[in-house]
Amino acid sequence: QQKVQQSPESLIVPEGGMASLNCTSSDRNVDYFWWYRQHSGKSPKMLMSIFSNGEKEEGRFTVHLNKASLHTSLHIRDSQPSDSALYLCAATYNTNTGKLTFGDGTVLTVKP
Amino acid sequence: EAAVTQSPRNKVTVTGGNVTLSCRQTNSHNYMYWYRQDTGHGLRLIHYSYGAGNLQIGDVPDGYKATRTTQEDFFLLLELASPSQTSLYFCASSVLGGIQDTQYFGPGTRLLVL
Repeated sequence: QQKVQQSPESLIVPEGGMASLNCTSSDRNVDYFWWYRQHSGKSPKMLMSIFSNGEKEEGRFTVHLNKASLHTSLHIRDSQPSDSALYLCAATYNTNTGKLTFGDGTVLTVKP
Repeated sequence: EAAVTQSPRNKVTVTGGNVTLSCRQTNSHNYMYWYRQDTGHGLRLIHYSYGAGNLQIGDVPDGYKATRTTQEDFFLLLELASPSQTSLYFCASSVLGGIQDTQYFGPGTRLLVL
């Protein structure tokens, strides 16, 4: 059973638009959520992480977390073609091991 | 940024063949991980290690062995490769393996089993 579910599977936004990606854990014992970005042919790179309720902003990227609903979302404003990539959500659970459980990802395409 | 290297970058083998994938990190990180990534899927954890001589079982370990010979080097072994193991393999490392630690990924090895 997949512990981390992402939606949508794919998303197309115009250049300059807002992209919103969703991620939910089916296991209540989640500690941290992570967002990784993977450009085509490259390795995943950590974008942002969040563990407390609320939001966190870094430049054009904002992450929200609602721990009660086990849901996190990533919002990219003023999207650029260079933001086109696979966005992977991952979670760590209270096992003290730091093991990441990944979702299947959202493919974002930003159209010029 | 943390440096993780993998070799080979591409590998073709036949069913039943022996394959070793290598990973090296020079960040003095304690934890190292092996993942596979298949089309339409995120990354799935095969094995991980918190130090030389240590091995922990991941979520999809069947058909794989791993060995951590030094703090820097972590190997993934496929002793009887099968077509179902055709995949993109990533190695990663993190400082202490804690829930707050960022994992840094290598460039990946693409494996094709004929």
